Amino acid sequence: SQQGEEDPQALSIQEGENATMNCSYKTSINNLQWYRQNSGRGLVHLILIRSNEREKHSGRLRVTLDTSKKSSSLLITASRAADTASYFCATLSGGYNKLIFGAGTRLAVHP
Amino acid sequence: NAGVTQTPKFQVLKTGQSMTLQCAQDMNHEYMSWYRQDPGMGLRLIHYSVGAGITDQGEVPNGYNVSRSTTEDFPLRLLSAAPSQTSVYFCASSYGLFGLAGAQETQYFGPGTRLLVL
Repeated sequence: SQQGEEDPQALSIQEGENATMNCSYKTSINNLQWYRQNSGRGLVHLILIRSNEREKHSGRLRVTLDTSKKSSSLLITASRAADTASYFCATLSGGYNKLIFGAGTRLAVHP
Repeated sequence: NAGVTQTPKFQVLKTGQSMTLQCAQDMNHEYMSWYRQDPGMGLRLIHYSVGAGITDQGEVPNGYNVSRSTTEDFPLRLLSAAPSQTSVYFCASSYGLFGLAGAQETQYFGPGTRLLVL
C-alpha cells in the first residue's frame, strides 16, 4: 500500500496564481521528499524536509511538514506554464530503506 | 557524468518471454532501486539495493528478479512476462536514504523504459 496520498489529484490554475498540494502519510518518517515529473520523463527531486523541520523554502517552492497530523504541503508561488507537471511526495518506511511514493497531483498551469 | 541510464527505452514482449532491463549509474551511488509506474498512479517500489551484493524486496516484487554484482549496475529481470507487467519502469539511485545530510538522500531517476506485454 502507498504511504503517501496527495490531494488534490488534479489542479488547474492560471499563470501567476499559487498552487498548493497536500500529502498525507501513515507511519512515522525520517524525511519527506517532493518530486516533479514532466510528461513522459523521469522524476526530478525538488526538496527534502526532515521530521524535525517545520518549513523549508527553495526558490518559489515552500514546503511545510506537520508530523502531528502526518501531513505535508507544497506551495508553488507565482506559477508558470513550465510548472505544468505531476508532483509526488515520497516518504521513507520499512526500516528507512524503502522510499514510497504517493499517487501524485497533476498540475496544469494555463497561460 | 551520464547520471542514471536505462536501456532499452521501449520494448514489446509476448506473454511468457523473458528480458532484462538495464540500469547503470556513474555517480558511485550505493543505493539503487526499481519502480514501476502505471497510468494515473504513483511509483511502486519493486526491488532495491543498498550496496553491491545486497538486494531486498519492495512493495511489488513478484515476477521480478534483481542482482547487484557491481556498484554501477542494477539489472531487473522479468523471467516470464505477463500482461500485468505492462508499465513504465524507472531506475533510481542515491548515495543513501537515511541518516545522510541533504543532497545525498536525493534520488536521481533514469528516463524510464516503456514495456508492453502482449
